[in-house]
Amino acid sequence: GQSLEQPSEVTAVEGAIVQINCTYQTSGFYGLSWYQQHDGGAPTFLSYNALDGLEETGRFSSFLSRSDSYGYLLLQELQMKDSASYFCAVTPQGYSTLTFGKGTMLLVSP
Amino acid sequence: DTGVSQDPRHKITKRGQNVTFRCDPISEHNRLYWYRQTLGQGPEFLTYFQNEAQLEKSRLLSDRFSAERPKGSFSTLEIQRTEQGDSAMYLCASSLAEGFGEKLFFGSGTQLSVL
Repeated sequence: GQSLEQPSEVTAVEGAIVQINCTYQTSGFYGLSWYQQHDGGAPTFLSYNALDGLEETGRFSSFLSRSDSYGYLLLQELQMKDSASYFCAVTPQGYSTLTFGKGTMLLVSP
Repeated sequence: DTGVSQDPRHKITKRGQNVTFRCDPISEHNRLYWYRQTLGQGPEFLTYFQNEAQLEKSRLLSDRFSAERPKGSFSTLEIQRTEQGDSAMYLCASSLAEGFGEKLFFGSGTQLSVL
């Protein structure tokens, strides 16, 4: 089976850098994805790591280490609009569907 | 590209009634997914279509739930004999038939309240 663990809440101030961790226990997966969801909104895709290492997309970066069963999403130059829930997700091997973690609520204050 | 649309946005029903939700995916996407989300939780997979074929279904999915995608375009999700535990946001997503389903485009969902 699959189990993904994320902190339930993270707080930070505008302009800061924040890291949201995701640890997982899974028998095998194709890659680690990250989604953002604003309150009342739809989840939106942020990034995907198929291989170990860092993927950078503007202010957001994502990292995966399969040997450590660990990944993270790094948000730089935080803005108020980054306040949202962030979910890590994996596609287990043999499937074509995402399994999501419970999410991390990020609160950005002025 | 008008995005994934879902109808209705909200549905209130009484326990025991049947409800049906509709999802229109992005037109060139042949994969379509249904997820369910409750407050404070991540989306939970329900079922998945590639074109009109239903390829995966969650083992947790009650037989009161059925989904169709008759012509490989829009999809419907029906819940029969609704229970209070069915109250949730029902999300539809679509994607291209490439990769391992990592990049999904979600609709805004249908919020179901069972009284």
